[in-house]
Amino acid sequence: NAGVTQTPKFQVLKTGQSMTLQCAQDMNHNSMYWYRQDPGMGLRLIYYSASEGTTDKGEVPNGYNVSRLNKREFSLRLESAAPSQTSVYFCASRRYSRRSYEQYFGPGTRLTVT
Amino acid sequence: TQLLEQSPQFLSIQEGENLTVYCNSSSVFSSLQWYRQEPGEGPVLLVTVVTGGEVKKLKRLTFQFGDARKDSSLHITAAQPGDTGLYLCAASLQGDAGNMLTFGGGTRLMVKP
Repeated sequence: NAGVTQTPKFQVLKTGQSMTLQCAQDMNHNSMYWYRQDPGMGLRLIYYSASEGTTDKGEVPNGYNVSRLNKREFSLRLESAAPSQTSVYFCASRRYSRRSYEQYFGPGTRLTVT
Repeated sequence: TQLLEQSPQFLSIQEGENLTVYCNSSSVFSSLQWYRQEPGEGPVLLVTVVTGGEVKKLKRLTFQFGDARKDSSLHITAAQPGDTGLYLCAASLQGDAGNMLTFGGGTRLMVKP
């Protein structure tokens, strides 16, 4: 049981390049999330998918697109990378437990845009 | 201004000391969670509190949810170097379907041996 996995772990892009961050979970959770983490800003929600076939914008969606490929996989795409997108990206999945929703995070992708 | 304010932002203490970290808001939450994040890794859930006034203990860590469900605290007794990390609180707004969690800015704790 690997939990939430993310690839790649590190990536360096030039401004204007595109890339896709991959995320998969093996816990059979319905909901999945993409966050970015910047120093002093905590975690900010980019996009989420409440269930297979649905996606919704979070707090900071501009410059990103997502695809919920199936129940296990949720990818994040940067079409034209900008230096402001330099960050650590975390994928998470969610389950309902003890009257609350609990999120489980992957190890992160560290992205630098030059 | 963040919806969830954590204090202090940084804390450096000696092994064996006690400490308290705070998470405050003007909004009412249906539930609140505490996570710990170590360098190079994702956040790991420590505890969830859902009832106003609730107190939960996890070994040397004590978590409390405010009576009005607007704030929470994390108290660590006799801190150890293994407690070093970034502590994040996160909450679901009351009435929200629970689809979105709001995170505080975090408290970075360093425990020196």
